[in-house]
Amino acid sequence: QKEVEQDPGPLSVPEGAIVSLNCTYSNSAFQYFMWYRQYSRKGPELLMYTYSSGNKEDGRFTAQVDKSSKYISLFIRDSQPSDSATYLCAMMDSGYSTLTFGKGTMLLVSP
Amino acid sequence: GAVVSQHPSWVICKSGTSVKIECRSLDFQATTMFWYRQFPKQSLMLMATSNEGSKATYEQGVEKDKFLINHASLTLSTLTVTSAHPEDSSFYICSAGGQGWEQYFGPGTRLTVT
Repeated sequence: QKEVEQDPGPLSVPEGAIVSLNCTYSNSAFQYFMWYRQYSRKGPELLMYTYSSGNKEDGRFTAQVDKSSKYISLFIRDSQPSDSATYLCAMMDSGYSTLTFGKGTMLLVSP
Repeated sequence: GAVVSQHPSWVICKSGTSVKIECRSLDFQATTMFWYRQFPKQSLMLMATSNEGSKATYEQGVEKDKFLINHASLTLSTLTVTSAHPEDSSFYICSAGGQGWEQYFGPGTRLTVT
């Protein structure tokens, strides 16, 4: 079993839809949970990060962490064609060690 | 936010030759730099971690003699792929870290070995 599991998609939605992206993990030592957005042939950019369990909202984006279930989610409201990209979840333990990435979910938002 | 650049953005080389990729932190001092490799539709896989002035720490399965990493200053790290083969063709991404947990990623370098 891989440390971080993420459905690669692609996930196709119409403009304006609510998008739900998810990851599961197995390492209970993970404390920091991040979501990165990566456009084709570009480096990843940090969208949101959460420490431990809970919710965090930033504009149209909401990140949720449920450590008891080892499950994290990213919700995108009012999705736009410009949101079309690959979304990678990533995790880190409290020792500021290495990032462990999911495989990434490709999102396609059609106008 | 912090800016990390990579050069070149795309390189084609012949099998058996070596190629060097540069990673620079433009507006901050990076105590640690990371090198990742990403195959199509795959995740970022950490290859090695380097601290300025120290030898790089390679992940299991990564050949240190093939992927030479130099972190000579707080703003520059280089990855040299020696005796490149077609299977080394991939997207190489560096990231730079400061004092906290966050890593700032470069735009990536696409390597094609013919």
